[in-house]
Amino acid sequence: DAGITQSPRHKVTETGTPVTLRCHQTENHRYMYWYRQDPGHGLRLIHYSYGVKDTDKGEVSDGYSVSRSKTEDFLLTLESATSSQTSVYFCATATSGGAGREQYFGPGTRLTVT
Amino acid sequence: QQQVKQSPQSLIVQKGGISIINCAYENTAFDYFPWYQQFPGKGPALLIAIRPDVSEKKEGRFTISFNKSAKQFSLHIMDSQPGDSATYFCAASTRNDMRFGAGTRLTVKP
Repeated sequence: DAGITQSPRHKVTETGTPVTLRCHQTENHRYMYWYRQDPGHGLRLIHYSYGVKDTDKGEVSDGYSVSRSKTEDFLLTLESATSSQTSVYFCATATSGGAGREQYFGPGTRLTVT
Repeated sequence: QQQVKQSPQSLIVQKGGISIINCAYENTAFDYFPWYQQFPGKGPALLIAIRPDVSEKKEGRFTISFNKSAKQFSLHIMDSQPGDSATYFCAASTRNDMRFGAGTRLTVKP
């Protein structure tokens, strides 16, 4: 978890409200990722970024948007939260999308949508 | 459709025994196969990884065996210890996409 923080760590919100999760890294890694973790599904990629202002969709991107205005920050927004988005969200970073490709994960954010 | 299938879901091993977790993948474009270890309340951490040009990689008590023709790979934990009790995830990756297995909860009994 060194060098990667996520905020908030826990959040309870109501259906229909917007939610923004923040990932902050001090590693100066170019690549950043947002995953959700659900029982029986492992981790699933939501969106990723390969540089400032450069983002792309992952496997489960519907209902989520992201923004990256600085190397160190990657924001995940749920425009209108639904109960199906109750999950644990992990941010990850990597130095490269090519060779090596080791991803470093943050501590996670537990989101509950009631 | 899960692109990486992992088994078993849970595994109980006695201290000193061998833990074996298996994964199978479908997409032949995957070219990087890591294993992650996750303790409760923590994010996953890379344990060991392999590329498809080798059939085995060993780091301490942890070994990955890789069978490219069968599209299968496995993690072997030798001399399992109670401190190894955690959830293990296999994954398969292309340049910009990493797909995870569903995870195996390993319990090592003292």
